[in-house]
Amino acid sequence: SYVLTQPPSVSVAPGTTANIPCGGNNFGSKSVSWYQQKPGQAPVLVMYFDSDRPSGIPERFSGSISGNTATLTISRVEAGDEADYFCQVWDSTGDLYFFGPGTKLTVL
Amino acid sequence: QVQLQESGPRLVKPSQTLSLTCTVSGGSTNSGGFYWSWLRQPAGKGLEWIGRFFASGTTNFNPSLESRVTISVDTSKNQFFLNLSSVTAADTAVYYCASRSGDPSFFDYWGQGALVTVSS
Repeated sequence: SYVLTQPPSVSVAPGTTANIPCGGNNFGSKSVSWYQQKPGQAPVLVMYFDSDRPSGIPERFSGSISGNTATLTISRVEAGDEADYFCQVWDSTGDLYFFGPGTKLTVL
Repeated sequence: QVQLQESGPRLVKPSQTLSLTCTVSGGSTNSGGFYWSWLRQPAGKGLEWIGRFFASGTTNFNPSLESRVTISVDTSKNQFFLNLSSVTAADTAVYYCASRSGDPSFFDYWGQGALVTVSS
């Protein structure tokens, strides 16, 4: 099993930067993906391969990895960014998928 | 653009089998390189991957559910299916089907989800 950790909540003011961390081991051997989920909706992929954005995702969204922490960064946060954000990794060795518990982003 | 739609009974009795169908449009379950997955999310909780079917016929499952899960495909109807046996209240969740073409490390297309309640 592979454990990912995320803080339950992050709060930021509009127009500022939100950093949402995801802790795990050996990120170097795995790729991290991120999903945004608004209430009552399905998750939406916002980042893959650690730092690649799908088409249609604003450039304000970026991803990075440093050591044992992957981070989703949202610049110039807008009210519409308020959502739950989940990190996810794929263990290619066991061909298994793991999700973090999610972080609720609140825009103050 | 692949579109996915879950369907099936929304209320299942304990000890029975949960059965869901995912209907695919904009893509083919018979196409090579596609991965077809099921995931679930209990109310207020995180996402859990259940299992996956690859167009080659290979299936992979979450070890915690493997003994109770079957995933199959009907390419003639462009549908894939989830069966989860011996359900309990702990299996109550929103169930999603999802897909990916190419590198399997993430899910780029999702169904809208189906809330399935296990209750007598």
